[in-house]
Amino acid sequence: KAGVTQTPRYLIKTRGQQVTLSCSPISGHRSVSWYQQTPGQGLQFLFEYFSETQRNKGNFPGRFSGRQFSNSRSEMNVSTLELGDSALYLCASSPGQTYGYTFGSGTRLTVV
Amino acid sequence: GESVGLHLPTLSVQEGDNSIINCAYSNSASDYFIWYKQESGKGPQFIIDIRSNMDKRQGQRVTVLLNKTVKHLSLQIAATQPGDSAVYFCAEIPPGSYQLTFGKGTKLSVIP
Repeated sequence: KAGVTQTPRYLIKTRGQQVTLSCSPISGHRSVSWYQQTPGQGLQFLFEYFSETQRNKGNFPGRFSGRQFSNSRSEMNVSTLELGDSALYLCASSPGQTYGYTFGSGTRLTVV
Repeated sequence: GESVGLHLPTLSVQEGDNSIINCAYSNSASDYFIWYKQESGKGPQFIIDIRSNMDKRQGQRVTVLLNKTVKHLSLQIAATQPGDSAVYFCAEIPPGSYQLTFGKGTKLSVIP
């Protein structure tokens, strides 16, 4: 079956702009999580959604937001981009319990 | 501290030897642990998991050991192959949480 699909794979944005990233989970998976990966901080949890509800949120500023649609697809949005937001943004899906997390290949965001 | 892609702890092994990658986790309440492998340009790939009611679990060529007393995980890879070259992360989840907390990662380099 198809894996977790993230689009786009690469993005270049200018400081101050906003960006929306998309994640399509594995069919049947109802949980979608987002992570930020940087050389300095490693992999950090952003938020997790299950059945369109946010269940967990990491320690990121309010500029980072997300949502999940009824078909379990998820988007995350970053407003007022800063240079430090340059990172690989990873999405993971799971059936909904605390197991079976499968990651996508990520979206590489570069802020200039 | 160490960071993904830069200043990561590195383990170099000869092809065919066994590899042992170690991880110290942070939350004594965590009850589910996962090892991931991340190759360049890809998202983390599930290798093996273990629950806190076990101290050892074996997969194909891999074994995970859990020592709750000292909050330590290890991943053993038997007969290491060039395709095993990657960055390896451990992750933990406390009960009731849907958030993976990742370790800093270890870069495994296999010498042919």
